[in-house]
Amino acid sequence: QKEVEQNSGPLSVPEGAIASLNCTYSDRGSQSFFWYRQYSGKSPELIMFIYSNGDKEDGRFTAQLNKASQYVSLLIRDSQPSDSATYLCAVNTNTNAGKSTFGDGTTLTVKP
Amino acid sequence: DGGITQSPKYLFRKEGQNVTLSCEQNLNHDAMYWYRQDPGQGLRLIYYSQIVNDFQKGDIAEGYSVSREKKESFPLTVTSAQKNPTAFYLCASSIVDTQYFGPGTRLTVL
Repeated sequence: QKEVEQNSGPLSVPEGAIASLNCTYSDRGSQSFFWYRQYSGKSPELIMFIYSNGDKEDGRFTAQLNKASQYVSLLIRDSQPSDSATYLCAVNTNTNAGKSTFGDGTTLTVKP
Repeated sequence: DGGITQSPKYLFRKEGQNVTLSCEQNLNHDAMYWYRQDPGQGLRLIYYSQIVNDFQKGDIAEGYSVSREKKESFPLTVTSAQKNPTAFYLCASSIVDTQYFGPGTRLTVL
């Protein structure tokens, strides 16, 4: 079992829909959780981070964390073609250090 | 502007050659990381350094070497012992627990 698992996709949604990206992790001691977006041929860029159970919203993006279920998700509302990218989930077991474990990513395509 | 720079953007290597990839940051971050990404795959950790003059092997360190003589710099050498080095190499640095990435170097073996 991988430490951080994501649906490989590809995930395809129509423009304006909600895209839901999921991530599960195996280490119950995990403390911080990150979502990165990676466009084809480019490096990952940080979208959001979340530490506490519940929802965290930033514009069209909402991160959801459920530590009991070891599950973190990213919702993208009003999806745009420019959201088409690979989304990487990263998990960190130590909030005082930056060494994270990354999932393999989910590729999202938003169709006009 | 603060950020992470990597050079070169593209690098071609002949078999049997060692090559060095540069990574520099002016963010005053203590920790730095090197990852390898193969097409359609996730990130695999090669080496990381949490402080100057100290570094640790990641999951796939064989065939690679690093140094951390300055806080700002963390160069990666891909040695001839790395049998399949063609990949996208990403450098990152972190403040506390959040990593930020450089633009990457795409290495191709001819």
